[in-house]
Amino acid sequence: DSGVTQTPKHLITATGQRVTLRCSPRSGDLSVYWYQQSLDQGLQFLIQYYNGEERAKGNILERFSAQQFPDLHSELNLSSLELGDSALYFCASSVTPDRPGELFFGEGSRLTVL
Amino acid sequence: AQSVAQPEDQVNVAEGNPLTVKCTYSVSGNPYLFWYVQYPNRGLQFLLKYITGDNLVKGSYGFEAEFNKSQTSFHLKKPSALVSDSALYFCAVRPLFSGTYKYIFGTGTRLKVLA
Repeated sequence: DSGVTQTPKHLITATGQRVTLRCSPRSGDLSVYWYQQSLDQGLQFLIQYYNGEERAKGNILERFSAQQFPDLHSELNLSSLELGDSALYFCASSVTPDRPGELFFGEGSRLTVL
Repeated sequence: AQSVAQPEDQVNVAEGNPLTVKCTYSVSGNPYLFWYVQYPNRGLQFLLKYITGDNLVKGSYGFEAEFNKSQTSFHLKKPSALVSDSALYFCAVRPLFSGTYKYIFGTGTRLKVLA
């Protein structure tokens, strides 16, 4: 158990809908990363937050947004969903981005868009 | 552009034989280097990392990796493979002093250990 909790584990929805994925980082970790894993794309970095502030942005679509709350949990919002958004979404946490160490990954949220 | 390459989509090895999973990178400066393993329907688990020092680093489950600065490689190795090692392996780099906080992952290599 990595200590990172992601909910929901599975989500099935329709095109055009909006979903929210939630992540609780390890106790004490201030930095949260979001990744998308699809079959043909590998692990794609979406966005990173540190102590409530956005620190780095990757290949995140404009239809997607995220935030990190004062209690350090993070949410990834996906809107106007398309079939191609079907993927496994991972959250990872680390203590601080300034001292790069290993990332601790959650079990992921599997999103299926029908 | 900064990138990580895992040139093999899949590696097959017989149980008991040594295994190597290759990784090369292209980043500026001296990066931190990582290996992660992913079992089916699970999140990624940390295996080992290179920060500085000895080029051969040892990690979990008997895995080790060799850092080669001149070849910008960080290959994962294990002297004797187990069937239970079958999984998806990811190499990752974290550039230092580049103003970015991103970890860059390779596309993954599926390791299949045959009994």
